[in-house]
Amino acid sequence: NAGVTQTPKFQVLKTGQSMTLQCAQDMNHEYMSWYRQDPGMGLRLIHYSVGAGITDQGEVPNGYNVSRSTTEDFPLRLLSAAPSQTSVYFCASSYNRGGTGELFFGEGSRLTVL
Amino acid sequence: AQSVTQLGSHVSVSEGALVLLRCNYSSSVPPYLFWYVQYPNQGLQLLLKYTTGATLVKGINGFEAEFKKSETSFHLTKPSAHMSDAAEYFCAVSGSGGYNKLIFGAGTRLAVHP
Repeated sequence: NAGVTQTPKFQVLKTGQSMTLQCAQDMNHEYMSWYRQDPGMGLRLIHYSVGAGITDQGEVPNGYNVSRSTTEDFPLRLLSAAPSQTSVYFCASSYNRGGTGELFFGEGSRLTVL
Repeated sequence: AQSVTQLGSHVSVSEGALVLLRCNYSSSVPPYLFWYVQYPNQGLQLLLKYTTGATLVKGINGFEAEFKKSETSFHLTKPSAHMSDAAEYFCAVSGSGGYNKLIFGAGTRLAVHP
């Protein structure tokens, strides 16, 4: 099993550019989520999805969009990148909607916005 | 609202010494509690979790944690540190809003010296 796969691993953007971080999982998990990791702040939830066609906002959703057209994929879109969005982004998935919180993480995507 | 406080952003121990990483949480509902570990340039992986039942939880690599409701704590311990334990450790809580929505602490970086 590949688990949770994120692409790209590294990306440099200029302020105002848009891009999409890709996330795919092959474990048939209903639940998928995006976190950002910043030094001294741990991981903060951006958006999450409990199944195809269902998404919701987390703690820090501003500046990001998501969609969930399939069970496997959960892309994160940055609409107009800002330096404050420089961070490491993690996609995570889990077994079921009423899950017990064992999230499976991808290896992360490091984004720098100049 | 739920929150997690990890005391000490950096902890340094000698190889063979006791490891103690502190975590306190706040939650208005019975919490699920987790410890995750992150090795350099990798995603997070689950060390152990408490959901219900026995309050002393054993995880991988010799780590364990005890849920103490009266102290709202979930400290992580390991009797004898190994060089390979050097990593960043995150405590997390969930429950309110869904058990897959984890709220993470800021993390504790563990250094192990020979």
